[in-house]
Amino acid sequence: EVHLVESGGGLVQPGGSLRLSCAASGFTFSSSEMNWVRQAPGKGLEWVSHITSGDTRTYADSVKGRFTISRDNVKNSLYLQMNSLTADDTAVYYCARDLGGSEQLVSDYWGQGTLVTVSS
Amino acid sequence: ELVMTQSPATLSVSPGERVTLSCRASQGVGSNLAWYQQKPGQAPRLLIHGASTRAIGIPARFSGSGSGREFTLTISSLQSEDSAVYYCQQYNNWQGTFGQGTKVEIK
Repeated sequence: EVHLVESGGGLVQPGGSLRLSCAASGFTFSSSEMNWVRQAPGKGLEWVSHITSGDTRTYADSVKGRFTISRDNVKNSLYLQMNSLTADDTAVYYCARDLGGSEQLVSDYWGQGTLVTVSS
Repeated sequence: ELVMTQSPATLSVSPGERVTLSCRASQGVGSNLAWYQQKPGQAPRLLIHGASTRAIGIPARFSGSGSGREFTLTISSLQSEDSAVYYCQQYNNWQGTFGQGTKVEIK
């Protein structure tokens, strides 16, 4: 069974940094593409970042230059390093497995999410 | 900027009725369209990808259609457990834009 568990969320001041983690199990993580998707409180979904099995990384314009996605295939873990955070980054952040191939950016399994709150 | 517009914003339907949700793209996205269901306090669940392919384990009452700019998600006979917000997502470009969602309520 596919299982994704995010951690690392919390309260951070504007301009601060935070690193999210996602522990994956139940599938071959090293050959899977992955996404981060976020959802501001009471709002809709926003795709944030994607990483291929070959470590090619893509970002939404809203986070480009501030966020970095990475993976550790030994630890079966996905990460999101978030810098220069603003109030607009306040959201639940979901780790999700990507369908891959011609269906990149489609997420078929999701974690339960971790809440990031940016506030002074 | 590619914008995805869903309609209606909210729908109130009786169990057993047919439900049709719409999603329109501001420019053509081919068949690169997915639908998700999200219940309160839960993560989204993939329903449809490739505009019309049901994801693994999705009941046959859910179907998707359309291509280019106009897409539809149909629930053939609404069940009480289908009360949720439904989102469309285009993946024709590397922004993976979601629509704003349609909330389906049970009468």
